[in-house]
Amino acid sequence: GQQLNQSPQSMFIQEGEDVSMNCTSSSIFNTWLWYKQDPGEGPVLLIALYKAGELTSNGRLTAQFGITRKDSFLNISASIPSDVGIYFCAGRNDYKLSFGAGTTVTVRA
Amino acid sequence: EPEVTQTPSHQVTQMGQEVILRCVPISNHLYFYWYRQILGQKVEFLVSFYNNEISEKSEIFDDQFSVERPDGSNFTLKIRSTKLEDSAMYFCASNEGPIYGYTFGSGTRLTVV
Repeated sequence: GQQLNQSPQSMFIQEGEDVSMNCTSSSIFNTWLWYKQDPGEGPVLLIALYKAGELTSNGRLTAQFGITRKDSFLNISASIPSDVGIYFCAGRNDYKLSFGAGTTVTVRA
Repeated sequence: EPEVTQTPSHQVTQMGQEVILRCVPISNHLYFYWYRQILGQKVEFLVSFYNNEISEKSEIFDDQFSVERPDGSNFTLKIRSTKLEDSAMYFCASNEGPIYGYTFGSGTRLTVV
């Protein structure tokens, strides 16, 4: 399958700080998506990006679809305790998603 | 907010037994998927299903796996003869079309002993 490299693997952040994570791939994707997964739950869609260069916001979240179609980043501004969780990037071609390995975010109060 | 519903939430089965994992996708969605996540690892694609047939499958989805839409609401994943390495969270997902964001269910944790 197509490999996505997601970084960082984990991060500890102070409440109120901004967070940034990214995904890169050697393959081109038609869509980039960012999901959050809480323990014991399924991934929940945060942002979907459909066009190269697209910059999309959802509340405190901002994500961009890289111009080369091989990368994407997610920013979380002014983090709060409920931002704790695992964030996954996913690239889509045809009918399937290829997921990154995840970024585990822990917020220090 | 519409949900993808999966049952059971946890299933324990003996190696070699058949299991059926059940999903009720969102009612107006047309595309259905199964993904799995081995503990501590990333989510992996298994199969996509549209118009009563498989549209794409991964190398994980071998002859031991099958999917079915037995009626207008359920979507099932069957593992014919479970192996220890089939232990994982299995997620069902659906969407209105392949270009749209996927809605995932909460998963079934399968434990093969």
